[in-house]
Amino acid sequence: DADVTQTPRNRITKTGKRIMLECSQTKGHDRMYWYRQDPGLGLRLIYYSFDVKDINKGEISDGYSVSRQAQAKFSLSLESAIPNQTALYFCATWTGDSNQPQHFGDGTRLSIL
Amino acid sequence: GQNIDQPTEMTATEGAIVQINCTYQTSGFNGLFWYQQHAGEAPTFLSYNVLDGLEEKGRFSSFLSRSKGYSYLLLKELQMKDSASYLCAVLSSGGSYIPTFGRGTSLIVHP
Repeated sequence: DADVTQTPRNRITKTGKRIMLECSQTKGHDRMYWYRQDPGLGLRLIYYSFDVKDINKGEISDGYSVSRQAQAKFSLSLESAIPNQTALYFCATWTGDSNQPQHFGDGTRLSIL
Repeated sequence: GQNIDQPTEMTATEGAIVQINCTYQTSGFNGLFWYQQHAGEAPTFLSYNVLDGLEEKGRFSSFLSRSKGYSYLLLKELQMKDSASYLCAVLSSGGSYIPTFGRGTSLIVHP
């Protein structure tokens, strides 16, 4: 079983719809992250959470919201989806130790028509 | 803030050696990561450098010079499966101690 699981893996929806992307982890890491990836732009941080009560905006948080339901679960919502939110979304976890890498889910490919 | 630069794309021949560079400007440097990402897949960890010098792991090596704000990933004996994007990520104590990613380098390996 994957350590970091994202659902759904693919989603096609229409402009204006509310979308929720879910992430769950079995690694026991406190820190969780949501990134979006667009061609040529690398990974850009949307939101991050250091624990259940600590949620922070990243560089591109406009149009998104998050919920940290438990240490193991971190959900990303698009309240009213727009076409330029079409992208590949990744959830990641991290221990916070500088010599340890982040662990990524397999990604959610989201298309907004 | 941080500024991380990588070449957008590189090509190389199977069996050859390729060096992918990453330059960065940051305050409070705490380490640099390299990840490999195949198209449509999750990034996977390759290496971590926090001290100057070369770290070798099989066909892959990574080098860091903190004074120059420079790192490179060296891939030897290239294989077709090495065609992927390579992401450089810098960790700094400035800001919120979050790894910040460069835009990635797309490596194409030709037969």
